[in-house]
Amino acid sequence: QVQLQESGPGLVKPSETLSLTCSVSGVSISGGSWSWIRQPPGKGLEWIGYIYYTGSPDYNPSLKSRVTISKDTSKNQFSLSLTSVTAADTAAYFCARDRDSNYGLMDNWGQGTLVTVSS
Amino acid sequence: DIQLTQSPSSLYASVGDRVTITCRASQSIANYLNWFQQKPGNAPKLLIYTASSLESGVPSRFSGSGSGTGFTLTISSLQPEDFATYYCQQRYATFLTFGGGTKVEI
Repeated sequence: QVQLQESGPGLVKPSETLSLTCSVSGVSISGGSWSWIRQPPGKGLEWIGYIYYTGSPDYNPSLKSRVTISKDTSKNQFSLSLTSVTAADTAAYFCARDRDSNYGLMDNWGQGTLVTVSS
Repeated sequence: DIQLTQSPSSLYASVGDRVTITCRASQSIANYLNWFQQKPGNAPKLLIYTASSLESGVPSRFSGSGSGTGFTLTISSLQPEDFATYYCQQRYATFLTFGGGTKVEI
């Protein structure tokens, strides 16, 4: 059974860096593609980016200058870093497994973690 | 980037109703279209993939159709647990996008 769990600070100050980790159990992250998605309160879903089984990333162009997604296969975790945050980055952040990144088949998700950007 | 427009943005329905949600793409995306269900406080759940394939474990009252630029999600007989928000999503382009969502309310 594949399970994902996000972890990280729930409050980040403006201009600082948001850092989250997704811990995966039940499958090795060495294979497959892994994604971050976010959802501002009361709004829709926004894809942030992927990290592929090769270790190469792919990012939403609107966030590309501020985002880094990486993985640590030894810990079976992958991570999100978002720099220079503003209130507009306040959202629930989800990590997900994509069983076929050619089609965006996100079939396993973490429960999500709310990150608030505020001083 | 490819835009996905869902309609309606919300709808009211009753248990037993047939419900249809539409998703239109700004350019052809072949069958690279998936549907997700999200309930309040929960992560999205994959329902339909590649436009018309039912995800394992999803009730057969859910179905999807379409290709190119026009797609539909149909719930043949709405059940109490189906009241939720539904999102379409495309992966035709490298830049993955979601539709704006359709909230199905009682």
